[in-house]
Amino acid sequence: AQSVAQPEDQVNVAEGNPLTVKCTYSVSGNPYLFWYVQYPNRGLQFLLKYITGDNLVKGSYGFEAEFNKSQTSFHLKKPSALVSDSALYFCAVRDGNNFNKFYFGSGTKLNVKP
Amino acid sequence: NAGVTQTPKFQVLKTGQSMTLQCAQDMNHEYMSWYRQDPGMGLRLIHYSVGAGITDQGEVPNGYNVSRSTTEDFPLRLLSAAPSQTSVYFCASSPWTGPYYEQYFGPGTRLTVT
Repeated sequence: AQSVAQPEDQVNVAEGNPLTVKCTYSVSGNPYLFWYVQYPNRGLQFLLKYITGDNLVKGSYGFEAEFNKSQTSFHLKKPSALVSDSALYFCAVRDGNNFNKFYFGSGTKLNVKP
Repeated sequence: NAGVTQTPKFQVLKTGQSMTLQCAQDMNHEYMSWYRQDPGMGLRLIHYSVGAGITDQGEVPNGYNVSRSTTEDFPLRLLSAAPSQTSVYFCASSPWTGPYYEQYFGPGTRLTVT
């Protein structure tokens, strides 16, 4: 079965510090992984994706993600957090048997304090 | 481009009532999908479509119907609303059904069933 786990409901970080939001996955076949961000009362916005190739993926707003095949992880990172990064972050994976299906994690609320 | 639009933004239904949530996109995307978002559960796929006339079930299809008569529109029908269908509903689209494409999300419809 395909699945995504985000083990932290909430991550708190001070502005200017590095941030990490964790994601682990289980999928058959090649993993196609995505990160999305959701601001209050808004739809999800795409941040970045891993398809194949480099294990460090760069995305929007200074975010990057590290793909680790042996640990089946795809952690979201940013070197220096901003207060405006405070939002809900979702990791998602495409079903390896049916590319038309996505599975999302439960979400991690990022709080960046000034 | 308006992107993905959803109507209404908010809706309150009584148990047993029916309604249709509207979704439209102006990006000529082949793939469209419906999700529900519940606290602590992330997004779960209800139904999806890979083109006009083609629909299939996602993870939680019971109680919902869809059809796709045009590329642009993908309405979601609740035939007999139940309190368990209280949720935030998101429509999404992407250019193709291959694994490389991210999804574009609408702003959501908040549905309450009393």
